[in-house]
Amino acid sequence: AQSVTQLGSHVSVSEGALVLLRCNYSSSVPPYLFWYVQYPNQGLQLLLKYTTGATLVKGINGFEAEFKKSETSFHLTKPSAHMSDAAEYFCAVTSGSGGSNYKLTFGKGTLLTVNP
Amino acid sequence: EAQVTQNPRYLITVTGKKLTVTCSQNMNHEYMSWYRQDPGLGLRQIYYSMNVEVTDKGDVPEGYKVSRKEKRNFPLILESPSPNQTSLYFCASSLAGAYGYTFGSGTRLTVV
Repeated sequence: AQSVTQLGSHVSVSEGALVLLRCNYSSSVPPYLFWYVQYPNQGLQLLLKYTTGATLVKGINGFEAEFKKSETSFHLTKPSAHMSDAAEYFCAVTSGSGGSNYKLTFGKGTLLTVNP
Repeated sequence: EAQVTQNPRYLITVTGKKLTVTCSQNMNHEYMSWYRQDPGLGLRQIYYSMNVEVTDKGDVPEGYKVSRKEKRNFPLILESPSPNQTSLYFCASSLAGAYGYTFGSGTRLTVV
């Protein structure tokens, strides 16, 4: 079984401040991990993913995330928030190599607010 | 353009009236899936399909049916909709797990 916990349903930052959105996962096999972003009234867009290899992964719009196996975490960061980053962010996990990776399990989401 | 297309975008219906939400992808993906999104609950998987004629239940399958007769299409059927199925629904497709899913724009369903 796999699960995702996103700490903080709502995060508020000032424009130009560091963005940190937390994600912890549980998986019985090596995971593939994803961050998606959802802008108001839109579908989900893939921000970045970790499958194998380098544990620090870079995505679109200046976001990055680091896979830490010992902490079962995959936190999303951006050095400097922009107003356009305001959206809801979802962390997701699926089974990695050797597992049943058609099932993508999502966290409950974190709403990011950026204040001017 | 590579995409997942859902129709309709918005739908208001009455309890018990059968409906179908269509989903089509043009990327030749094997995996397809339906999710519902509810406030505070995130996205929950309803059904998924690994290939043509191969489907299985996700986490919240009650009250829903699916079929996968062609690779590109994966319709979601509500035989007798109820108000607790009022939700935002997303169809998604994937080449394989490592690529993540590509999502459609969503269908907002209201059952009164």
